[in-house]
Amino acid sequence: DTGVSQDPRHKITKRGQNVTFRCDPISEHNRLYWYRQTLGQGPEFLTYFQNEAQLEKSRLLSDRFSAERPKGSFSTLEIQRTEQGDSAMYLCASSYGGQDEKLFFGSGTQLSVL
Amino acid sequence: LAKTTQPISMDSYEGQEVNITCSHNNIATNDYITWYQQFPSQGPRFIIQGYKTKVTNEVASLFIPADRKSSTLSLPRVSLSDTAVYYCLVGDIGRDDKIIFGKGTRLHILP
Repeated sequence: DTGVSQDPRHKITKRGQNVTFRCDPISEHNRLYWYRQTLGQGPEFLTYFQNEAQLEKSRLLSDRFSAERPKGSFSTLEIQRTEQGDSAMYLCASSYGGQDEKLFFGSGTQLSVL
Repeated sequence: LAKTTQPISMDSYEGQEVNITCSHNNIATNDYITWYQQFPSQGPRFIIQGYKTKVTNEVASLFIPADRKSSTLSLPRVSLSDTAVYYCLVGDIGRDDKIIFGKGTRLHILP
């Protein structure tokens, strides 16, 4: 168990640019979640996958955000035409699923949009 | 997922036992209760999970009364390193439901 890995740890970009983040879950986990967190708030749900299928996407998420999980392994989260309001910590988590599911989080990617 | 209510913040001193209570009046029969801990600039970390009565591990204890409408996370003999945000989550996570975090309880341990 090497844990959930996220890359990069930090990203600084200019408004209007596109950014992509990667998440490598724990290998035997079939569920993968993306969250966004701003200072003083709890993690905000963005989307989640069961294997390669994207099962739900937050209604708060604009169409500038897209996520993929090809072959049910790693996942990418892309933000197009970034805005200053996108500045946040983006967290990835994975789990086995099941009634007593436990999430394992990565260290996150801190995005700053200038 | 059942909605949860927990204190916004708490202060305590090193060496004390800290109890954080979470209310979940609408908990369903199949719901589990799970607590996470989060330090600054890190993702949340699973602490403990339970369904009923008492669960204890090397980090904490979780007390759940018979009606399951609340739960109490107990941290024995806290240290400065226990300063963190603690989240209570309730739900039947095995269904196709997203996992929603609230604002959590900010625990501040004083020397």
